Amino acid sequence: DAMVIQNPRYQVTQFGKPVTLSCSQTLNHNVMYWYQQKSSQAPKLLFHYYDKDFNNEADTPDNFQSRRPNTSFCFLDIRSPGLGDTAMYLCATSGLVYSNQPQHFGDGTRLSIL
Amino acid sequence: GENVEQHPSTLSVQEGDSAVIKCTYSDSASNYFPWYKQELGKGPQLIIDIRSNVGEKKDQRIAVTLNKTAKHFSLHITETQPEDSAVYFCASRRVGGTYKYIFGTGTRLKVLA
Repeated sequence: DAMVIQNPRYQVTQFGKPVTLSCSQTLNHNVMYWYQQKSSQAPKLLFHYYDKDFNNEADTPDNFQSRRPNTSFCFLDIRSPGLGDTAMYLCATSGLVYSNQPQHFGDGTRLSIL
Repeated sequence: GENVEQHPSTLSVQEGDSAVIKCTYSDSASNYFPWYKQELGKGPQLIIDIRSNVGEKKDQRIAVTLNKTAKHFSLHITETQPEDSAVYFCASRRVGGTYKYIFGTGTRLKVLA
């Protein structure tokens, strides 16, 4: 089945140690999103890509970066994670932006910073 | 800025009863409204959506209603079952505008057996 796959599902890393989360999709969608979600709060958008065009949210911390080498893959890099970055990170995709199509979410990566 | 208010934040119902979750959006140009169900340890999954040219949509036990004048939309779950227990998020989007979805704050639904 076409889907959004996130790896790893769980990641534990040390304070200040860089970490990379990955997302792949088989939906061939133009738009890919990264969200941060804490404690059953609403997902908080960090950034999104429309094809290779990168769009950063104004309040996304500078140590959060992203790469999209091709349509299928997108990465979230946290250069120097702090304790406050412990959260679930969700990747999502969306199809034709000028039509009414929902987002498709992966099952997330639960990141713990120790 | 654009926002979506969602109520209630928690909802407990007896199995078999109905549950209603309400959202109000601020951007009058919003024209697409999905609802997501998020189970513990999983990503949000679309359960139903509605476009602005439709007032109501049903899918088995789930229905969504939209009042564009009041900028309200609601999720209705009938004959609730324990497996309906989850967190539900509403969202809105202005199709043709940005690619962003504005999420509500979520409702934790507990269905008591």
